[in-house]
Amino acid sequence: QVQLVQSGAEVKKPGASVKVSCKASGFTFTSYSIYWVRQAPGQGLEWMGWISPYTGNTNYAEILHGRLTMITDTSTSTAYMELRSLRSDDTAVYYCARGATTAAGPNWFDPWGQGTLVTVSS
Amino acid sequence: EIVMTQSPATLSVSPGERASLSCRASQSLSSNLAWYQHKSGQAPRLLIHGASTRATGIPVRFSGSGFGTEFTLNISSLQSEDFALYFCQQSLQWPLTFGGGTKVEIK
Repeated sequence: QVQLVQSGAEVKKPGASVKVSCKASGFTFTSYSIYWVRQAPGQGLEWMGWISPYTGNTNYAEILHGRLTMITDTSTSTAYMELRSLRSDDTAVYYCARGATTAAGPNWFDPWGQGTLVTVSS
Repeated sequence: EIVMTQSPATLSVSPGERASLSCRASQSLSSNLAWYQHKSGQAPRLLIHGASTRATGIPVRFSGSGFGTEFTLNISSLQSEDFALYFCQQSLQWPLTFGGGTKVEIK
């Protein structure tokens, strides 16, 4: 079945970097975009960015520009999200999600990964 | 940026009753609105897209309506597994944005 499986929880110190993986299965990886969303404790969902595995094109949320990189490895059908210069307010559950249609750009999501808790603490 | 506002924040409903959740957009979305169900520790699940189209496998007790800036998710007869957090998302333009969510709890 179509699914996204994310890497495990991470604990990082302020200023460090984190890289979360999202392995896709059950569909043609290059046909659908991958999106990243996060949810800080007690907060709503925040869209982080988008990547097309086919073209490598990306679009990042303005607030994260300069600290965020998204890449894909089409040989393993895996997407990666790297966030640098971590701060305490980056503590959140990070989700990857597949675009529900093959259209590149704004989309809704289906399915989502199970989430990866990233804790930033000294 | 399109601001999405959901109400109420919490909805207390008895099993078997109907629940009605609201989502409002700061500008017209046409029908570019999706609804998700989110249970703690699980991946969010797509319920509705295009404002009113049920996703594959979603029970018919879930229905979406609305157009433009006002949208509603109705759950016709709440089952025990329906008590969860529900949120809306606009898919019209970057940046993609979400409502703050409505928690549906057992009354």
